[in-house]
Amino acid sequence: TQLLEQSPQFLSIQEGENLTVYCNSSSVFSSLQWYRQEPGEGPVLLVTVVTGGEVKKLKRLTFQFGDARKDSSLHITAAQPGDTGLYLCAGADFNKFYFGSGTKLNVKP
Amino acid sequence: KAGVTQTPRYLIKTRGQQVTLSCSPISGHRSVSWYQQTPGQGLQFLFEYFSETQRNKGNFPGRFSGRQFSNSRSEMNVSTLELGDSALYLCASSLMLTANTEAFFGQGTRLTVV
Repeated sequence: TQLLEQSPQFLSIQEGENLTVYCNSSSVFSSLQWYRQEPGEGPVLLVTVVTGGEVKKLKRLTFQFGDARKDSSLHITAAQPGDTGLYLCAGADFNKFYFGSGTKLNVKP
Repeated sequence: KAGVTQTPRYLIKTRGQQVTLSCSPISGHRSVSWYQQTPGQGLQFLFEYFSETQRNKGNFPGRFSGRQFSNSRSEMNVSTLELGDSALYLCASSLMLTANTEAFFGQGTRLTVV
């Protein structure tokens, strides 16, 4: 059973478009992380959200943590080919991480 | 500050052999977790070590084992390799697994079993 469900699984868009990736769970997490992974490399941490309702911005990326700390979203504005990769969300419990299955994003020039 | 270092980066082994992978965490990090990543299954949790003790274990057969040394470096071992063990093996280190912890990953070891 996957604790964290990510949607969509695949996304192929043109450069300049906006997109939103969702990460949903029935469990409450103390914090939630978003990672981006390129082929053959390890995931790179993008952001950690901790407080329910929290919004964090990282240049063109906006991350939101749901009020109940069960879900999160990642919004990318004006996507660029360099945004291409696998986006993973992870919920942290006290001694374990639970990873979503990921959203594979392809941004075409 | 050096990141998480995994060695080797690439490995080709034959069915039935055994393999040992190494992970050096970020300095000061005491928790090391191991994951297997395959295209079909995503990131699967193998086990987590903290201060030389295994605290958590995923649903993998006993062929998969690990250990952590006093300097927090960790190794994982896979015995009697099967073709299905071909995957990217990732190690992640954390300062300490508390409520707001963050995991930092190494580049991974790509294992191919032929």
